[in-house]
Amino acid sequence: GEDVEQSLFLSVREGDSSVINCTYTDSSSTYLYWYKQEPGAGLQLLTYIFSNMDMKQDQRLTVLLNKKDKHLSLRIADTQTGDSAIYFCAESTKESGGYQKVTFGTGTKLQVIP
Amino acid sequence: EPEVTQTPSHQVTQMGQEVILRCVPISNHLYFYWYRQILGQKVEFLVSFYNNEISEKSEIFDDQFSVERPDGSNFTLKIRSTKLEDSAMYFCASRKTSGRVRKDEQYFGPGTRLTVT
Repeated sequence: GEDVEQSLFLSVREGDSSVINCTYTDSSSTYLYWYKQEPGAGLQLLTYIFSNMDMKQDQRLTVLLNKKDKHLSLRIADTQTGDSAIYFCAESTKESGGYQKVTFGTGTKLQVIP
Repeated sequence: EPEVTQTPSHQVTQMGQEVILRCVPISNHLYFYWYRQILGQKVEFLVSFYNNEISEKSEIFDDQFSVERPDGSNFTLKIRSTKLEDSAMYFCASRKTSGRVRKDEQYFGPGTRLTVT
């Protein structure tokens, strides 16, 4: 079955870059996502990448996908204290009949030190 | 921008009671989902729903759970007899079937925190 793994914790200083890594097992993924969850809040889609792309940049966010190694990363440039949150990697796979299922990783808690 | 809404934001119930969690998906979306997140754990898929029937469900979604789209706007998750281990954040999501941009993106609601005592 599908499995998505992430490291649990990352601590960076304000102004530095953060890199959050994720590995997944299902090679039939269609889209890969990064979601942000602030304390007590819901899931906010940050960015996504289609599985046939290698890189996507969106302002301070850069997503890198290594499909061969099934490795996804999220780089946040100039990390701010407001970036402190849990970041979930997720993959979507097309099930039989065209139905989509999203599998989430364990989440990486990003702590930004002022 | 359209968004998925969920009510209530927090529900407290006693063990053995029935609860109904409500969601209003984005109006032109056709696929609907429920996920749950037990405190400190990963987000887990529960069920997907399309064309007024369940299209896929996980092993978590047992006979105690049911989903319904009672009218054109609401999508509900019912837990018949709640257990302590049902305490979690429950997220609803919806997806548009087609569109040139972000065709497969699921839009998530803010979640309902269910506390079973």
